[in-house]
Amino acid sequence: GAVVSQHPSRVICKSGTSVKIECRSLDFQATTMFWYRQFPKQSLMLMATSNEGSKATYEQGVEKDKFLINHASLTLSTLTVTSAHPEDSSFYICSASRPEGAFFGQGTRLTVV
Amino acid sequence: GENVEQHPSTLSVQEGDSAVIKCTYSDSASNYFPWYKQELGKRPQLIIDIRSNVGEKKDQRIAVTLNKTAKHFSLHITETQPEDSAVYFCAASILSGSNYKLTFGKGTLLTVNP
Repeated sequence: GAVVSQHPSRVICKSGTSVKIECRSLDFQATTMFWYRQFPKQSLMLMATSNEGSKATYEQGVEKDKFLINHASLTLSTLTVTSAHPEDSSFYICSASRPEGAFFGQGTRLTVV
Repeated sequence: GENVEQHPSTLSVQEGDSAVIKCTYSDSASNYFPWYKQELGKRPQLIIDIRSNVGEKKDQRIAVTLNKTAKHFSLHITETQPEDSAVYFCAASILSGSNYKLTFGKGTLLTVNP
């Protein structure tokens, strides 16, 4: 079964609003989670590393004030897309690691209209 | 940082044939190489992985080989079936504890024709 749960799976929001996406590790603790973005027919691009109890680490070119990450507990990381615009429309997906590998949430399809 | 190149971008085979997807990586410190299968609109699923202390790993119809000297690794699928059709991604990582921070290749769309 799935070891990482992501919610919501789909969201449509109006331009200028904010959207929060949750990523939960099921039955295990994850001090580190990763957030990726995937455009249609493209690969997964790492956006940021979410660290429990400390600030997230962002990849080059990713705006930290636009993509707010909070990792307040050992099983939950959240990504908030602030002041969303149509170009933020994408598939956002998180991962968490167990000793046997990295596992992904089911992803969130964000559409900004 | 790490850069992963993946080829081919598309691959079409007949059912029962073999499929091979190749990846190269740039950072010699990378020591973990997973392969993921992603169906349309779904999450990537880990199908096999290899660590840098081994050269080959096999799991039923799927095998992965690693050449550390040349910095390339390959996925081999034998006796392909239509349900193998999906996008396959290779990735490379430098393991830090048990945290897998992955750099992905661009993906290969595999189509298995009945």
